Amino acid sequence: SQQGEEDPQALSIQEGENATMNCSYKTSINNLQWYRQNSGRGLVHLILIRSNEREKHSGRLRVTLDTSKKSSSLLITASRAADTASYFCATDEGGGSYIPTFGRGTSLIVHP
Amino acid sequence: NAGVTQTPKFQVLKTGQSMTLQCAQDMNHNSMYWYRQDPGMGLRLIYYSASEGTTDKGEVPNGYNVSRLNKREFSLRLESAAPSQTSVYFCASNTGTSGRSTDTQYFGPGTRLTVL
Repeated sequence: SQQGEEDPQALSIQEGENATMNCSYKTSINNLQWYRQNSGRGLVHLILIRSNEREKHSGRLRVTLDTSKKSSSLLITASRAADTASYFCATDEGGGSYIPTFGRGTSLIVHP
Repeated sequence: NAGVTQTPKFQVLKTGQSMTLQCAQDMNHNSMYWYRQDPGMGLRLIYYSASEGTTDKGEVPNGYNVSRLNKREFSLRLESAAPSQTSVYFCASNTGTSGRSTDTQYFGPGTRLTVL
């Protein structure tokens, strides 16, 4: 079963615009991670946010976590064509189970 | 430093054939994982290994076997391939010592398997 679910499934924007994608999960977590997957490639880790954190930044990426709503958002500012990829959130299931569970992903297309 | 490597990159099998997917990591990681990725399904965990000599089932283990040959290598075997096993298979590793770790996963490039 999928713990995290990304929304929207697909997002198409112009270069320079901001891209926001969301992740909702079902049970309490220890942390949440975002990964990127370029077409035909493996996943690459972007950022990890722990359950006691509310916001983290890494370059043009901003991640927020709202544990009361069981949701997270990934914001990519000033998007570039090279940001075209699928983005996945990964959560554990809290408690004693730390195996990361991936959502179905958001497919982002950035038009030059 | 190659990270996580997988062989082969592509494979076509007939129903009933067997094959082994190979994975190796050179980062001295303790935990290794096998996932499958199907369209619209995200990644699903097949098996994982917390350390050399130990393996545990994930969400979708049926039809697969694994071997943690040593700290570097973790192989996935399909004994009798079925069309439902057509997928992209990813190996991953991380530094966790329990297998159940939320440390960053490092992924290989994937193996694209088609079962006819």
